Amino acid sequence: DAMVIQNPRYQVTQFGKPVTLSCSQTLNHNVMYWYQQKSSQAPKLLFHYYDKDFNNEADTPDNFQSRRPNTSFCFLDIRSPGLGDAAMYLCATSSKAGGNEQFFGPGTRLTVL
Amino acid sequence: GENVEQHPSTLSVQEGDSAVIKCTYSDSASNYFPWYKQELGKGPQLIIDIRSNVGEKKDQRIAVTLNKTAKHFSLHITETQPEDSAVYFCAAFNDYKLSFGAGTTVTVRA
Repeated sequence: DAMVIQNPRYQVTQFGKPVTLSCSQTLNHNVMYWYQQKSSQAPKLLFHYYDKDFNNEADTPDNFQSRRPNTSFCFLDIRSPGLGDAAMYLCATSSKAGGNEQFFGPGTRLTVL
Repeated sequence: GENVEQHPSTLSVQEGDSAVIKCTYSDSASNYFPWYKQELGKGPQLIIDIRSNVGEKKDQRIAVTLNKTAKHFSLHITETQPEDSAVYFCAAFNDYKLSFGAGTTVTVRA
């Protein structure tokens, strides 16, 4: 089945230790998104890629970076995680030609010790 | 930017009854309105959506209505079942971005 896959599902890191979360998709969608979702809140968009074009939200901290080496993969790098970065990180994809439906992966739960 | 308000924040219904969740949006340029269901520890799952050129859409026990003039849209779930218990998010799409409501926690009592 075509899908959005996120690895790992659970990630524990130490305060200040860089961490990378990964997302892959078999949908061949040209748009990929990263969201942060804290407990009992709605997902908050961090940035997105339209093909290779990177688009950062104005309020996304510099601590968060992203890479998209090819259509299928996208990575979220947190350079120096703080306690406030503990959250669920969601990857989503969409196709501009497909009517803007966004399909989410299962998420990575990040814990910062 | 777009602002989406969602009510109620919590909803408890008896199994078999209907559940209704309402959302309003602020930007008349928004043209696509999806609803997501999120179960504990999982990613949001698209359950139904509606575009701005349609007033109502139904898929089995789920229906969505859209009033563009009033800028509000609603999710209706009929004959609720325990597996409908989850958090539901409405969203409005504008340009490249989905703006989400704050979510409604639905509990279906057996």
